[in-house]
Amino acid sequence: AQKITQTQPGMFVQEKEAVTLDCTYDTSDQSYGLFWYKQPSSGEMIFLIYQGSYDEQNATEGRYSLNFQKARKSANLVISASQLGDSAMYFCAMREGGTGGFKTIFGAGTRLFVKA
Amino acid sequence: DTAVSQTPKYLVTQMGNDKSIKCEQNLGHDTMYWYKQDSKKFLKIMFSYNNKELIINETVPNRFSPKSPDKAHLNLHINSLELGDSAVYFCASSPASDTQYFGPGTRLTVL
Repeated sequence: AQKITQTQPGMFVQEKEAVTLDCTYDTSDQSYGLFWYKQPSSGEMIFLIYQGSYDEQNATEGRYSLNFQKARKSANLVISASQLGDSAMYFCAMREGGTGGFKTIFGAGTRLFVKA
Repeated sequence: DTAVSQTPKYLVTQMGNDKSIKCEQNLGHDTMYWYKQDSKKFLKIMFSYNNKELIINETVPNRFSPKSPDKAHLNLHINSLELGDSAVYFCASSPASDTQYFGPGTRLTVL
């Protein structure tokens, strides 16, 4: 079964508008972490934002915020005021595990296209 | 000053050859990883090392052998390369269970 689900293979957004990229996860761990990474066409993986399972407040980093709804097991990424440079693949990831090693599992990604 | 570096960036080789990819991190992290990203962009963990000890091995063929000579280095050696090994390989590092920082990736093409 998929542990991280990103249901939007592709998304379009107009420059300067906000966009939400969906992510749902599945775990039985009480302690876990949720991440978003950006992969532009140049190929590098860029860390954007992190949310711990015990964090009560939604994480924010500049124009990025993570809409964490624990009961629904969702961790959507909100990008405000989209810029052309935001066009990229976006991956949601979950870190779970403990003794025996922490493992990070990635979703299939959402490709975001920002239109001028 | 590069945090996580990988060499080479591109690797083109014939089937059956043996090749290595090197990874170094200068972040002082305890844990290092190897990931494989396939042509559909799916990213899957292969190995994880903590303080030079292997802690995760995700049923990767034993043609793949990671080696960690010290905490700052995690190299990946691949024997008898196959067409299906063509992918982008990412090294990453993190402090314990925290955020992972990725290297630039190595694009391996097996002909």
